[in-house]
Amino acid sequence: KNEVEQSPQNLTAQEGEFITINCSYSVGISALHWLQQHPGGGIVSLFMLSSGKKKHGRLIATINIQEKHSSLHITASHPRDSAVYICAAQGAQKLVFGQGTRLTINP
Amino acid sequence: DSGVTQTPKHLITATGQRVTLRCSPRSGDLSVYWYQQSLDQGLQFLIQYYNGEERAKGNILERFSAQQFPDLHSELNLSSLELGDSALYFCASSVEAGGTYEQYFGPGTRLTVT
Repeated sequence: KNEVEQSPQNLTAQEGEFITINCSYSVGISALHWLQQHPGGGIVSLFMLSSGKKKHGRLIATINIQEKHSSLHITASHPRDSAVYICAAQGAQKLVFGQGTRLTINP
Repeated sequence: DSGVTQTPKHLITATGQRVTLRCSPRSGDLSVYWYQQSLDQGLQFLIQYYNGEERAKGNILERFSAQQFPDLHSELNLSSLELGDSALYFCASSVEAGGTYEQYFGPGTRLTVT
């Protein structure tokens, strides 16, 4: 079992839908990162959180430390949100990555 | 643009060869991380440097080595290359070395070993 598990692995939705991507981890962490990787390959850091909830535009990230679970939500999804979303658990020394969720938003 | 630069963008080389990937961190960032992203393994942490010193090591092969120079740029050296080393190599930087500092990723170097 991987230390960081994401679900679903693939997600296709229609423009405007509310999207949820889940991340569960089994390691102790100091922070949980959400990253976005576009088809060109570049990686952008979306959120880093250690408790509660953060919001940036249409993106919301939450974390439940007791349950070792985090979610990334996208409201009013748009085709430009199509990308791979990766969660990463920050341990004492290193980031441990999930396998990513490939999101496709159709117009 | 994250402020982290990596060169080259693409590299094609043959098995058995040696290559050097270069990374310049964001201005003011002291910590540099190297990651490998392959199709079958996903993203994996290789190594971290902080202000010139190795700080943490991940799944880095013995054929690979890295260093961070006094001007804080970093190089990742890959030798005796194998087909399986074909991957995207990212570096990232952060202000400090601790776990609660955001990391900023470079655009990556795509290495193809033929």
